[in-house]
Parts: sequence; C-alpha cells; structure tokens
Amino acid sequence: DAKTTQPNSMESNEEEPVHLPCNHSTISGTDYIHWYRQLPSQGPEYVIHGLTSNVNNRMASLAIAEDRKSSTLILHRATLRDAAVYYCILRDHAGNMLTFGGGTRLMVKP
Amino acid sequence: GAVVSQHPSWVICKSGTSVKIECRSLDFQATTMFWYRQFPKQSLMLMATSNEGSKATYEQGVEKDKFLINHASLTLSTLTVTSAHPEDSSFYICSARDITGAPDTQYFGPGTRLTVL
Repeated sequence: DAKTTQPNSMESNEEEPVHLPCNHSTISGTDYIHWYRQLPSQGPEYVIHGLTSNVNNRMASLAIAEDRKSSTLILHRATLRDAAVYYCILRDHAGNMLTFGGGTRLMVKP
Repeated sequence: GAVVSQHPSWVICKSGTSVKIECRSLDFQATTMFWYRQFPKQSLMLMATSNEGSKATYEQGVEKDKFLINHASLTLSTLTVTSAHPEDSSFYICSARDITGAPDTQYFGPGTRLTVL
C-alpha cells in the first residue's frame, strides 16, 4: 500500500470545525482513502472512506483533491469526545490488511 | 457500523503462563480477521492475518509458535500468547473484515491489555 503523510498533532477549539490533512502523492488509481480514529485505550474506529468524490457521513466529511494526491478529513463541530489519533490509510480495492502510520493526534480544547 | 468484541478486555498473568484472547464479529461473518499489537505511544503493528478454516499468515518477526491463532468459525478468532513474558505486555487489537460493502471495511475490537508480571 502507498504511504501517507500526516501532521503529528493538531489542536482545535470545541464547537469549531477541524480540517485534518493527509498527503498521499504516490496513490495509485485503485487505492481507496480510509480514515480511522483511535480514542485512548480503545481499538480504532472506522470514520469514512472515499475514492475520487467527496464523501459525507454522520461522523465526518472527506474532501479529496482533484489529483487525489491529498485529502482532508473534516469534523464540522469538534467536541471533546473527538480527541483521538486520526489515521489516514490507503488501501487497494483488493487489499487485505491495513497499514497504520503515525496518525495525527487531535487535541480539543474546551 | 458492524460490531467486533474482544474478551477479556484486560488480563494480568505471571511470566510463563499462556493467555487466550477471543475476537468475535457480532453481526456479520468474517472470513478474514487480523491481529495487531500496539505498544505505548506507538501505532498499531499487524501481527498476523487469520483466515477461517486455514492457517494464519504471520508478519515478519512474529513467532508463530508463540502467538497461536485459531479461526475456527466465521465469527470467532482466538489469539493465544504462549509462555508469556514481560516483553509481551502490550495492547492486542483484532479486526474483522466485512466484505458486504465495496470496498470491504475492517472493523476493530476494543482491544485487550495484557500485562505479564
């Protein structure tokens, strides 16, 4: 699977939107972009995934650049419960395992 | 989303004993499950891929005789840490692959914290 680059940490204020970036310049045409988050002392939680078009679900939105070399996870209104490590992972449609990088530790201030 | 459970959520054992961890997919069938290990302040590292009815595939550097994996049914995989030692203390997390969507999605269990004294 191709590699992704994320900032180590980000801070946000509660009730404000958060944009978490991910660079994946070596993405291939069949790679899906998956986002998971891991709250302290818990297993990762699926957030969202996309291929080319922007995606929305009840948890977040995923904005994918036109050239697909980067993407942004958008939390529309951060809450204290959104404080977690967010992982951006590329996976081929036929892929099997997930390879986790370092992720971005999101801190939310009240 | 789909639910994956793990049992126990934490375990403390003496050095030299064996510990079994169960991973269950509660509302879907999973032909493939994965076992990860996570040390403090680090990311998840894949240990092995477990396929129902066949032998597990281990990642490089993971001892298959020490970490026994059994995937006897479409909803249950077990990881047994044999002759555990303090360096095996870690957070063990399983995931199950739900192939009903496109692409398929992995759902993770809540993790098991193992402490070996």
